[in-house]
Amino acid sequence: GAGVSQSPSNKVTEKGKDVELRCDPISGHTALYWYRQSLGQGLEFLIYFQGNSAPDKSGLPSDRFSAERTGGSVSTLTIQRTQQEDSAVYLCASSFRTGNYEQYFGPGTRLTVT
Amino acid sequence: GNSVTQMEGPVTLSEEAFLTINCTYTATGYPSLFWYVQYPGEGLQLLLKATKADDKGSNKGFEATYRKETTSFHLEKGSVQVSDSAVYFCALSDQDAGSARQLTFGSGTQLTVLP
Repeated sequence: GAGVSQSPSNKVTEKGKDVELRCDPISGHTALYWYRQSLGQGLEFLIYFQGNSAPDKSGLPSDRFSAERTGGSVSTLTIQRTQQEDSAVYLCASSFRTGNYEQYFGPGTRLTVT
Repeated sequence: GNSVTQMEGPVTLSEEAFLTINCTYTATGYPSLFWYVQYPGEGLQLLLKATKADDKGSNKGFEATYRKETTSFHLEKGSVQVSDSAVYFCALSDQDAGSARQLTFGSGTQLTVLP
């Protein structure tokens, strides 16, 4: 079956612009996670969804970051007024549900802010 | 809070050499432990896992044993191949009830195996 997909695979944007990153989880997976992989910070957790609910947003780096999930499926991570330090690979993962279930990762979106 | 410390890279080995990548962790409870691998141009893949003390995870000739007394989960392989060249990440997830079980990752270790 299809794995986790993310789009776009690459995004170059100018500082100050808004960007939207999309994640399509594996069908039937109710839990969805966003992570960021950057040179300075390594792999860091951003936010998770159980269904459409995001109970804890404290991992988001600033209030310019937001995420939503509709229909218990697709999720969008939005970064407003992008800054150069937002440049990173944004990874999405899904699992059957939160708990002791394997997380399956997508290929990531490489974001470059110029 | 939770944290993972893994061996700095890069690591370069000849084919058929023995591999060890050290990983130690700090956690408030009894986490599950994982090794993920990222091959060039590909996404993160789960390599192996262990969910409780003294468990041994194994896959593709790689092994790691959950050592609670030393808070370690070192990755080993007896004879590496060129195809094992990748970045390896040690990670943990919280076992607390109600936890989202998000992963906390180490910094990654780049492995290059030469023919």
